[in-house]
Amino acid sequence: SQTIHQWPATLVQPVGSPLSLECTVEGTSNPNLYWYRQAAGRGLQLLFYSVGIGQISSEVPQNLSASRPQDRQFILSSKKLLLSDSGFYLCAWSGQIMEAFFGQGTRLTVV
Amino acid sequence: GIQVEQSPPDLILQEGANSTLRCNFSDSVNNLQWFHQNPWGQLINLFYIPSGTKQNGRLSATTVATERYSLLYISSSQTTDSGVYFCAPREYSTLTFGKGTMLLVSP
Repeated sequence: SQTIHQWPATLVQPVGSPLSLECTVEGTSNPNLYWYRQAAGRGLQLLFYSVGIGQISSEVPQNLSASRPQDRQFILSSKKLLLSDSGFYLCAWSGQIMEAFFGQGTRLTVV
Repeated sequence: GIQVEQSPPDLILQEGANSTLRCNFSDSVNNLQWFHQNPWGQLINLFYIPSGTKQNGRLSATTVATERYSLLYISSSQTTDSGVYFCAPREYSTLTFGKGTMLLVSP
Protein backbone atom coordinates (compact mmCIF):
# COMPACT_ATOMS: atom_id res chain seq x y z
CA SER A 1 0.00 0.00 0.00
CA GLN A 2 1.02 3.58 -0.51
CA THR A 3 2.37 5.74 2.29
CA ILE A 4 3.57 9.31 2.49
CA HIS A 5 6.25 10.54 4.85
CA GLN A 6 6.81 14.14 5.76
CA TRP A 7 9.36 15.54 8.18
CA PRO A 8 10.06 17.17 10.50
CA ALA A 9 6.76 17.36 12.37
CA THR A 10 7.60 20.67 14.00
CA LEU A 11 10.25 23.26 13.30
CA VAL A 12 11.23 26.57 14.86
CA GLN A 13 13.53 28.68 12.72
CA PRO A 14 14.87 32.23 13.03
CA VAL A 15 14.06 34.87 10.46
CA GLY A 16 16.58 34.81 7.63
CA SER A 17 17.53 31.16 8.06
CA PRO A 18 17.14 28.59 5.26
CA LEU A 19 14.44 25.94 5.12
CA SER A 20 14.23 22.45 3.72
CA LEU A 21 11.15 20.26 4.18
CA GLU A 22 11.13 16.82 2.67
CA CYS A 23 8.31 14.58 1.55
CA THR A 24 8.58 11.05 0.17
CA VAL A 25 5.98 8.62 -1.12
CA GLU A 26 6.25 4.84 -1.07
CA GLY A 27 4.35 2.18 -2.93
CA THR A 28 3.54 4.04 -6.13
CA SER A 29 5.34 5.38 -9.16
CA ASN A 30 5.05 8.68 -11.00
CA PRO A 31 2.69 10.28 -8.48
CA ASN A 32 1.48 13.85 -8.69
CA LEU A 33 2.97 15.67 -5.71
CA TYR A 34 1.74 18.80 -3.94
CA TRP A 35 2.75 21.28 -1.25
CA TYR A 36 -0.01 23.12 0.58
CA ARG A 37 0.18 25.67 3.38
CA GLN A 38 -2.41 26.26 6.05
CA ALA A 39 -2.12 29.57 7.85
CA ALA A 40 -4.23 30.59 10.84
CA GLY A 41 -7.83 30.77 9.70
CA ARG A 42 -8.09 27.23 8.36
CA GLY A 43 -7.92 27.45 4.56
CA LEU A 44 -5.34 25.43 2.65
CA GLN A 45 -3.46 27.19 -0.10
CA LEU A 46 -1.73 25.32 -2.90
CA LEU A 47 1.92 26.35 -3.17
CA PHE A 48 3.46 23.96 -5.70
CA TYR A 49 2.59 20.83 -7.60
CA SER A 50 4.58 18.45 -9.74
CA VAL A 51 3.50 15.91 -12.34
CA GLY A 52 6.99 14.48 -12.87
CA ILE A 53 10.69 14.72 -12.03
CA GLY A 54 11.93 18.27 -12.51
CA GLN A 55 8.44 19.55 -13.39
CA ILE A 56 7.28 22.13 -10.87
CA SER A 57 4.30 24.45 -11.13
CA SER A 58 4.02 27.38 -8.76
CA GLU A 59 0.62 28.68 -7.79
CA VAL A 60 1.55 31.64 -5.63
CA PRO A 61 4.60 33.92 -5.91
CA GLN A 62 6.42 33.79 -2.59
CA ASN A 63 9.61 33.28 -0.72
CA LEU A 64 9.57 29.54 -1.30
CA SER A 65 10.69 27.10 -3.98
CA ALA A 66 10.15 23.42 -4.64
CA SER A 67 12.17 20.69 -6.27
CA ARG A 68 11.56 17.09 -7.28
CA PRO A 69 14.94 15.42 -7.57
CA GLN A 70 13.51 11.89 -7.64
CA ASP A 71 10.20 10.39 -8.72
CA ARG A 72 8.81 10.06 -5.20
CA GLN A 73 10.60 12.91 -3.43
CA PHE A 74 9.35 16.47 -3.15
CA ILE A 75 11.28 19.19 -1.32
CA LEU A 76 10.13 22.61 -0.18
CA SER A 77 12.87 25.18 0.36
CA SER A 78 13.60 28.75 1.23
CA LYS A 79 16.89 30.61 1.23
CA LYS A 80 15.79 33.15 3.84
CA LEU A 81 12.68 32.67 5.94
CA LEU A 82 10.27 35.49 6.70
CA LEU A 83 7.89 35.76 9.65
CA SER A 84 5.04 35.37 7.19
CA ASP A 85 6.32 31.92 6.21
CA SER A 86 5.04 30.51 9.49
CA GLY A 87 2.28 27.98 9.06
CA PHE A 88 1.35 24.36 8.69
CA TYR A 89 2.86 22.78 5.57
CA LEU A 90 1.26 19.69 4.08
CA CYS A 91 2.57 17.44 1.37
CA ALA A 92 0.17 15.32 -0.69
CA TRP A 93 0.24 12.81 -3.51
CA SER A 94 -2.27 11.51 -6.00
CA GLY A 95 -2.18 8.72 -8.54
CA GLN A 96 -4.03 7.93 -11.71
CA ILE A 97 -7.46 8.07 -10.10
CA MET A 98 -6.51 11.50 -8.74
CA GLU A 99 -7.63 10.93 -5.15
CA ALA A 100 -5.20 12.91 -2.99
CA PHE A 101 -3.64 11.70 0.26
CA PHE A 102 -1.86 13.95 2.71
CA GLY A 103 1.14 13.60 4.98
CA GLN A 104 1.02 14.48 8.64
CA GLY A 105 2.31 17.99 8.08
CA THR A 106 5.10 20.21 9.38
CA ARG A 107 4.28 23.01 11.77
CA LEU A 108 6.77 25.81 11.03
CA THR A 109 7.23 28.75 13.35
CA VAL A 110 9.55 31.53 12.21
CA VAL A 111 10.79 33.64 15.13
CA GLY B 1 -9.61 29.65 -10.56
CA ILE B 2 -12.49 27.83 -8.98
CA GLN B 3 -14.19 29.37 -5.94
CA VAL B 4 -15.31 27.12 -3.08
CA GLU B 5 -17.76 28.11 -0.36
CA GLN B 6 -18.53 25.96 2.64
CA SER B 7 -21.38 26.43 5.07
CA PRO B 8 -21.89 26.79 7.90
CA PRO B 9 -18.46 28.07 8.96
CA ASP B 10 -18.99 26.85 12.52
CA LEU B 11 -21.34 24.30 13.99
CA ILE B 12 -21.95 23.16 17.56
CA LEU B 13 -23.88 19.96 18.12
CA GLN B 14 -24.99 17.88 21.03
CA GLU B 15 -23.76 14.31 20.84
CA GLY B 16 -26.24 12.19 18.93
CA ALA B 17 -27.49 14.98 16.69
CA ASN B 18 -27.41 14.92 12.89
CA SER B 19 -25.95 17.59 10.62
CA THR B 20 -25.50 18.55 6.99
CA LEU B 21 -22.48 20.43 5.69
CA ARG B 22 -22.64 22.10 2.31
CA CYS B 23 -20.00 22.86 -0.31
CA ASN B 24 -20.73 25.08 -3.32
CA PHE B 25 -18.23 25.51 -6.14
CA SER B 26 -18.15 27.94 -8.98
CA ASP B 27 -17.15 25.85 -11.98
CA SER B 28 -17.17 22.39 -13.46
CA VAL B 29 -14.87 19.98 -11.66
CA ASN B 30 -13.29 16.63 -12.40
CA ASN B 31 -13.92 15.26 -8.94
CA LEU B 32 -14.33 16.29 -5.32
CA GLN B 33 -13.01 15.11 -1.97
CA TRP B 34 -14.16 15.58 1.61
CA PHE B 35 -11.60 15.61 4.43
CA HIS B 36 -11.71 15.71 8.20
CA GLN B 37 -8.84 17.56 9.87
CA ASN B 38 -8.26 16.14 13.33
CA PRO B 39 -6.95 18.18 16.30
CA TRP B 40 -3.38 17.20 15.38
CA GLY B 41 -3.78 18.70 11.95
CA GLN B 42 -3.84 15.54 9.90
CA LEU B 43 -6.20 15.50 6.93
CA ILE B 44 -8.18 12.28 6.86
CA ASN B 45 -9.85 11.23 3.64
CA LEU B 46 -13.60 10.82 4.03
CA PHE B 47 -14.94 10.62 0.50
CA TYR B 48 -13.78 10.78 -3.07
CA ILE B 49 -17.04 11.64 -4.78
CA PRO B 50 -17.15 13.16 -8.28
CA SER B 51 -20.90 12.59 -8.43
CA GLY B 52 -23.67 10.59 -6.81
CA THR B 53 -23.94 9.40 -3.24
CA LYS B 54 -21.59 7.37 -1.06
CA GLN B 55 -21.94 6.14 2.49
CA ASN B 56 -19.38 5.11 5.06
CA GLY B 57 -20.85 4.23 8.44
CA ARG B 58 -22.48 7.28 9.98
CA LEU B 59 -21.20 9.55 7.22
CA SER B 60 -22.53 9.96 3.73
CA ALA B 61 -21.88 12.40 0.92
CA THR B 62 -23.72 13.51 -2.18
CA THR B 63 -22.29 15.48 -5.08
CA VAL B 64 -24.51 17.04 -7.74
CA ALA B 65 -21.88 18.13 -10.22
CA THR B 66 -24.35 19.69 -12.67
CA GLU B 67 -25.60 22.02 -9.91
CA ARG B 68 -22.12 22.55 -8.47
CA TYR B 69 -22.60 21.48 -4.90
CA SER B 70 -21.80 18.66 -2.52
CA LEU B 71 -23.26 17.72 0.85
CA LEU B 72 -21.75 15.83 3.76
CA TYR B 73 -24.16 14.20 6.21
CA ILE B 74 -23.11 13.24 9.70
CA SER B 75 -25.60 11.18 11.64
CA SER B 76 -25.61 10.36 15.36
CA SER B 77 -22.63 12.63 15.91
CA GLN B 78 -19.92 11.69 18.40
CA THR B 79 -17.35 13.81 20.20
CA THR B 80 -14.66 12.27 18.00
CA ASP B 81 -16.35 13.88 14.99
CA SER B 82 -15.12 17.27 16.21
CA GLY B 83 -12.67 19.06 13.97
CA VAL B 84 -12.67 20.89 10.67
CA TYR B 85 -14.33 19.46 7.58
CA PHE B 86 -13.05 20.51 4.19
CA CYS B 87 -14.37 19.97 0.74
CA ALA B 88 -11.89 20.17 -2.12
CA PRO B 89 -13.04 20.07 -5.73
CA ARG B 90 -10.44 19.16 -8.31
CA GLU B 91 -10.02 21.27 -11.40
CA TYR B 92 -7.46 19.75 -13.75
CA SER B 93 -4.46 18.67 -11.64
CA THR B 94 -5.07 20.42 -8.34
CA LEU B 95 -7.45 20.49 -5.41
CA THR B 96 -8.89 23.81 -4.27
CA PHE B 97 -9.97 23.89 -0.64
CA GLY B 98 -12.83 25.71 0.94
CA LYS B 99 -12.32 27.43 4.29
CA GLY B 100 -13.92 24.53 6.06
CA THR B 101 -16.64 23.95 8.62
CA MET B 102 -15.46 23.76 12.20
CA LEU B 103 -17.58 21.22 14.06
CA LEU B 104 -17.70 20.88 17.83
CA VAL B 105 -19.66 17.97 19.25
CA SER B 106 -20.29 18.27 22.95
CA PRO B 107 -21.12 15.33 25.24
